[in-house]
Amino acid sequence: EADIYQTPRYLVIGTGKKITLECSQTMGHDKMYWYQQDPGMELHLIHYSYGVNSTEKGDLSSESTVSRIRTEHFPLTLESARPSHTSQYLCASSQRRGGQETQYFGPGTRLLVL
Amino acid sequence: DQQVKQNSPSLSVQEGRISILNCDYTNSMFDYFLWYKKYPAEGPTFLISISSIKDKNEDGRFTVFLNKSAKHLSLHIVPSQPGDSAVYFCAARGARYSGAGSYQLTFGKGTKLSVIP
Repeated sequence: EADIYQTPRYLVIGTGKKITLECSQTMGHDKMYWYQQDPGMELHLIHYSYGVNSTEKGDLSSESTVSRIRTEHFPLTLESARPSHTSQYLCASSQRRGGQETQYFGPGTRLLVL
Repeated sequence: DQQVKQNSPSLSVQEGRISILNCDYTNSMFDYFLWYKKYPAEGPTFLISISSIKDKNEDGRFTVFLNKSAKHLSLHIVPSQPGDSAVYFCAARGARYSGAGSYQLTFGKGTKLSVIP
């Protein structure tokens, strides 16, 4: 069982506000990811990190930014929230073992921007 | 262009019967496939995976079959239980190398399974 945490679980916020979604894992995994998912749709990768001070953008363009100052922590920030940012945000982590690699997900943050 | 397709948005099965969830992919570079289960308002939970060098992997009530020539995989759940009711996502790894020895996962849109008591 994976130990990966996200806060807040739900967030309702007004347009223009700055928000930070927290993600932490206690497994010591090198790799961490942020996905965005809308209802009935696939998960889209928006950011990933292979270790401390490493961050890359994913397939889906996002106005959010991320940082990886500590192995266990991978926060996502929106400087100015807009209604188009309303979605579910899922954090995941993984480590390669025995030639295979499985991503483990946190519970997600449901964001509603009014 | 969707590289991983789950063409059935929903599936209803009677408790105790077999549930079969299907997934098709288009990219022959995918080399590892995973199934995740997701309850509403929770993150996906890893269920089972299969490497492209195998055609079957079994874990308890869950079996995944891979047909590489048809670019098709399926998840069988036997017997189905009401607690299996969730959205099931198929994911494929490979085709897009991201560096540091890792490949990105590509997900399907999911199939909502309802197991009727």
